[in-house]
Amino acid sequence: DSGVTQTPKHLITATGQRVTLRCSPRSGDLSVYWYQQSLDQGLQFLIQYYNGEERAKGNILERFSAQQFPDLHSELNLSSLELGDSALYFCASSPRGLQPSYEQYFGPGTRLTVT
Amino acid sequence: LAKTTQPISMDSYEGQEVNITCSHNNIATNDYITWYQQFPSQGPRFIIQGYKTKVTNEVASLFIPADRKSSTLSLPRVSLSDTAVYYCLVGDRGSTLGRLYFGRGTQLTVWP
Repeated sequence: DSGVTQTPKHLITATGQRVTLRCSPRSGDLSVYWYQQSLDQGLQFLIQYYNGEERAKGNILERFSAQQFPDLHSELNLSSLELGDSALYFCASSPRGLQPSYEQYFGPGTRLTVT
Repeated sequence: LAKTTQPISMDSYEGQEVNITCSHNNIATNDYITWYQQFPSQGPRFIIQGYKTKVTNEVASLFIPADRKSSTLSLPRVSLSDTAVYYCLVGDRGSTLGRLYFGRGTQLTVWP
């Protein structure tokens, strides 16, 4: 158990819909990262937040957005969903400081299925 | 971001030592080498990180030669539960790029 929690574990929805994925980082970690993992794309970095502020952006679509709240939990919002958005979405947190870190601790993931 | 090259797959038997080598010819002076392990449908797990020579923890050892153009993750006496994908990542530990490029990793299969 990494200490990072994610909800829900599974999510099934239809194309065009909007969903919100939630993540709680390890106690004390200020940085939260979001990743998407699909069979054909591998593990893709989406976005990083540090103490409520966006710090780095990866391959995140404009239909996707995220935020980190004062209690440090984070939410990833996916809208206008397409079949291709079906994937595992992971949240990770890191014990390091402001800069993105290579020592990250991943949650169990949310499996999103778009039908 | 330094590009890494790893074998796509490896097989081993229980009780053997497994060495997975990662090539990173373009590694920069400030780059660290980090290895992750991922089981199916689970998030990657941080295993070990190093800069040069040898690093050992309770799970694995990481060997890095003087030129740092490659690194080897060593798993002692593997068991069936070590069957997983192993990723090698190289980058500045304090990188401002913010992205971890995991690549496809090495699928290690341990047989009884």
